[in-house]
Amino acid sequence: AAGVIQSPRHLIKEKRETATLKCYPIPRHDTVYWYQQGPGQDPQFLISFYEKMQSDKGSIPDRFSAQQFSDYHSELNMSSLELGDSALYFCASSEWLVAVGRQETQYFGPGTRLLVL
Amino acid sequence: AQKVTQAQTEISVVEKEDVTLDCVYETRDTTYYLFWYKQPPSGELVFLIRRNSFDEQNEISGRYSWNFQKSTSSFNFTITASQVVDSAVYFCALSTLYSTLTFGKGTMLLVSP
Repeated sequence: AAGVIQSPRHLIKEKRETATLKCYPIPRHDTVYWYQQGPGQDPQFLISFYEKMQSDKGSIPDRFSAQQFSDYHSELNMSSLELGDSALYFCASSEWLVAVGRQETQYFGPGTRLLVL
Repeated sequence: AQKVTQAQTEISVVEKEDVTLDCVYETRDTTYYLFWYKQPPSGELVFLIRRNSFDEQNEISGRYSWNFQKSTSSFNFTITASQVVDSAVYFCALSTLYSTLTFGKGTMLLVSP
């Protein structure tokens, strides 16, 4: 079965640089989520999109922005990178069941490991 | 606000031992969903199981079993006859109709030969 695709898988940046992470959800999934996982931490929710509109917002820094495109893929843009942004960034996707008003299980991509030097 | 507590930070067992990972949750919502995810050393997050708040049936899948008890707000995970490949960090998580996933801090399971 098709899974969530994330690119790149690894990224090294300098402080104050910008980075763009991409996510391609599972086909027919209409909701995309972004999470940040620091070393030894649990994943922290950043932001989500449903049908190309922002649906929820977590602890996403103002330096980060994201969007979902017409083909449902999503991009997380990170500017003015700081050392503390070094982390594993996950994208997850799910399907919203309109008939029952319920969000289905989130399936995670393999993650993008970002290192800021 | 939702909260998930995994009191066991790290568990070490020897192969073939049974092991139970504890998960206690807090939510004021009457409809909620509980999950377990596995994160092996390679880093990906693998979905294991989902349980809805209105379905307290326990579940068994091969060597894995889950015990959901609303009375104690617990959703424990047992691995029977553990194997080295079970070594990973296991996260319990909770979501509701109005909130996305809230993860516990994770339990690192180390299975030695």
